[in-house]
Amino acid sequence: EAQVTQNPRYLITVTGKKLTVTCSQNMNHEYMSWYRQDPGLGLRQIYYSMNVEVTDKGDVPEGYKVSRKEKRNFPLILESPSPNQTSLYFCASSYLGQPKLFFGSGTQLSVL
Amino acid sequence: SQELEQSPQSLIVQEGKNLTINCTSSKTLYGLYWYKQKYGEGLIFLMMLQKGGEEKSHEKITAKLDEKKQQSSLHITASQPSHAGIYLCGAEYGGSQGNLIFGKGTKLSVKP
Repeated sequence: EAQVTQNPRYLITVTGKKLTVTCSQNMNHEYMSWYRQDPGLGLRQIYYSMNVEVTDKGDVPEGYKVSRKEKRNFPLILESPSPNQTSLYFCASSYLGQPKLFFGSGTQLSVL
Repeated sequence: SQELEQSPQSLIVQEGKNLTINCTSSKTLYGLYWYKQKYGEGLIFLMMLQKGGEEKSHEKITAKLDEKKQQSSLHITASQPSHAGIYLCGAEYGGSQGNLIFGKGTKLSVKP
């Protein structure tokens, strides 16, 4: 089954404790992206990648890192999480140039 | 100011009623994508519009893109509780390299 898999689904952590949210897709998509969704602010792009070893900042990249060492995986790294990073995070993927995005189920992150 | 405006922000309708959600762009769209999100879950692709005046339908949902390619509407006929969720439009602009800008979403509740 074609899908984007995010883990974990829920995560509670404390300020400053490094964490990684994993994202994997099995559709051989070139394009992958991370979004955060906050009430009243909608869906905002954090980082995106157009292919292996190619990543670019989205609208809200501060405090986040990503890597794209393999085509199928696009982890989101929070080196030193802060409470303002409490949010619902989504990973998405698509074929390059065809923005019909496939979304993961989301990761609800709470930073205390 | 926001490039993409969605209205209304929220909508409560009685089961069986028709409804319309609008998505307005401040500049010409290259493509417009409609997604549905069940509360706390990932986004599901509904429809894509690229040509001015284009109209697409799937079951009881119809989406249109105006001739100027700056406004899209999503119309649900005879709403059902299964239509409840958050509807988001995603805009693709020329030169965006496939990245989508999302509206803030419209929260739809359908009362039985």
